[in-house]
Amino acid sequence: QVQLQESGPGLVKPSETLSLTCGVSGYSITSGFQWGWIRQSPGKGLEWIGTIYHTGSTSYNPSLKSRAILSVDTSKNEFFLKMNSVTAADTALYYCARVLGGNVVFDIWGQGTMVTVSS
Amino acid sequence: DIQMTQSPSTLSASVGDRVTITCRATHGISDWLAWYKQKPGKAPNLLIYKVSKLQSGVPSRFSGSGSGTDFTLTISGLQPDDFATYFCQQYKNYSSFGGGTRVDIK
Repeated sequence: QVQLQESGPGLVKPSETLSLTCGVSGYSITSGFQWGWIRQSPGKGLEWIGTIYHTGSTSYNPSLKSRAILSVDTSKNEFFLKMNSVTAADTALYYCARVLGGNVVFDIWGQGTMVTVSS
Repeated sequence: DIQMTQSPSTLSASVGDRVTITCRATHGISDWLAWYKQKPGKAPNLLIYKVSKLQSGVPSRFSGSGSGTDFTLTISGLQPDDFATYFCQQYKNYSSFGGGTRVDIK
């Protein structure tokens, strides 16, 4: 059974970098599929952040203006999100998820981790 | 970018009702549309992709239709577990989600 688990600091100061990890169990990242990050906030609803393939190939939401960077560590079966220059608008529940097939549709999600941007 | 608008934002219904939720895209997205269900405190759960393809394990009372810019999610015979919030998602051009439709008990 494939499971995803997000982890990382729950509080980040404005202008700093948000860093999250998604651990994958029950499936090897190198076996295929893409992996992604999505966030959810009362103000913006659900927002796709980006997706990454195990080779490191990425795709990002242009609205984030290149602040997000996704990476992967196949030896640990983990992938990561870094988002720089955060503001209060980046406060949200962050989910990692598996992409179904070759499209940006998410079939398996983590439980989510809340990140608050505040000084 | 493509904006997705769902209607209604809230819908009150009873067990056994037939429920229809609408999703409209600002630009044509062909059949690159998915639907998710979310219960409070839980992650979204994929119901349908490619407009009408049911994800494995999803009950057949859920169905999707539409093309281009206008799409619908129908629940035929609402069950107690179906009271939740539903989101549409386009994945024709990157990806974006609708604002959600909450289905609550009448």
